[in-house]
Amino acid sequence: AQSVTQLGSHVSVSEGALVLLRCNYSSSVPPYLFWYVQYPNQGLQLLLKYTSAATLVKGINGFEAEFKKSETSFHLTKPSAHMSDAAEYFCAVIRFLNAGNMLTFGGGTRLMVKP
Amino acid sequence: DGGITQSPKYLFRKEGQNVTLSCEQNLNHDAMYWYRQDPGQGLRLIYYSQIVNDFQKGDIAEGYSVSREKKESFPLTVTSAQKNPTAFYLCASSGRLEELFFGEGSRLTVL
Repeated sequence: AQSVTQLGSHVSVSEGALVLLRCNYSSSVPPYLFWYVQYPNQGLQLLLKYTSAATLVKGINGFEAEFKKSETSFHLTKPSAHMSDAAEYFCAVIRFLNAGNMLTFGGGTRLMVKP
Repeated sequence: DGGITQSPKYLFRKEGQNVTLSCEQNLNHDAMYWYRQDPGQGLRLIYYSQIVNDFQKGDIAEGYSVSREKKESFPLTVTSAQKNPTAFYLCASSGRLEELFFGEGSRLTVL
């Protein structure tokens, strides 16, 4: 079965500092992995996705993530945090079932950016 | 513009009442999903549908029902059997092996 675990439900950084949000996955098959962002009272927006091509994936808003099979990780990074990055971030993996595919989400990490 | 429309955005319900949340998509996606979001618990799958007239239970289907009579529409009914229905509900759709596209969500509050 496929699953993801996000380490740290809350992360706080200063504006301009490095952002690192951690995600580890468990999968018996090569995983398809995703990072989403959610602003308050809104739906989720895709930041980036890994589908077994390049291991370093670049997304929107300056975010990127690196797939590391040896560490079963897919951590999200951004070199310099901006106030507008404050939001909740979700890591997800495709779950393959007989009746179709779906995404399984981690518990989310709330990013706070201090001025 | 293509996308997913959920309505209503906010809904209040008295205990014992059924309510139906609407979800419409014009992305021509085959698959549609309903997730429930509670603070600190991430997203949990309620129901999903890969094709018209077929749907499957997710991880927390008890107290909910759905229908998929049209490709574009996947309404969710929160029944009186759902013991703790106050939550944020998210509808999504996807193509095959693609990312999910989400609506803006519906916040249900039981009074």
